[in-house]
Amino acid sequence: AQTVTQSQPEMSVQEAETVTLSCTYDTSESDYYLFWYKQPPSRQMILVIRQEAYKQQNATENRFSVNFQKAAKSFSLKISDSQLGDAAMYFCAYRSAGNTDKLIFGTGTRLQVFP
Amino acid sequence: NAGVTQTPKFQVLKTGQSMTLQCAQDMNHEYMSWYRQDPGMGLRLIHYSVGAGITDQGEVPNGYNVSRSTTEDFPLRLLSAAPSQTSVYFCASRPGGVRGYTFGSGTRLTVV
Repeated sequence: AQTVTQSQPEMSVQEAETVTLSCTYDTSESDYYLFWYKQPPSRQMILVIRQEAYKQQNATENRFSVNFQKAAKSFSLKISDSQLGDAAMYFCAYRSAGNTDKLIFGTGTRLQVFP
Repeated sequence: NAGVTQTPKFQVLKTGQSMTLQCAQDMNHEYMSWYRQDPGMGLRLIHYSVGAGITDQGEVPNGYNVSRSTTEDFPLRLLSAAPSQTSVYFCASRPGGVRGYTFGSGTRLTVV
């Protein structure tokens, strides 16, 4: 069975600085997708970024980028120029590429942003 | 375009009562799923559907039933509520392919 591990329960960053959130996963599959979701205090789950395992190029979305290391099964999220609105819980998630809808989540990292 | 709509937003049940959490999406997404979120445990999959008429179990299906008679709706039924089912419930949908999920705003359920 696949598992997703987020080893940092809490992180903090100064406004305008850069922070990296860690995520590792375990799978025997070769084709899969990885996601980062943001959950602010409003409780809404918001997709931040996604990565297809067959793509070597790391995904980027504005100030958000990932460092995808397939051999190491690592999928970290880098937030550049942090803003107060980035404060939230961040969840890493894994999904097989087959005809399934099983999205497996890590336990989350709470990010605090200080002015 | 409303996205994924969950009702109700809050609910208190007594042990042994049954109820249905509603989920509807207007994006013609094939895939729909239900998750529960408990403190310190992230989100866990309860049931999912890969299309109308097709459902399957997730990680924590016991005590819950689902059906998918239309593409738009995917209700979650609690058969006999237990305090262990106190949680926040999320419904999500996605199209086929690699795109990510759209989540509803969640239902906070308390069973006393």
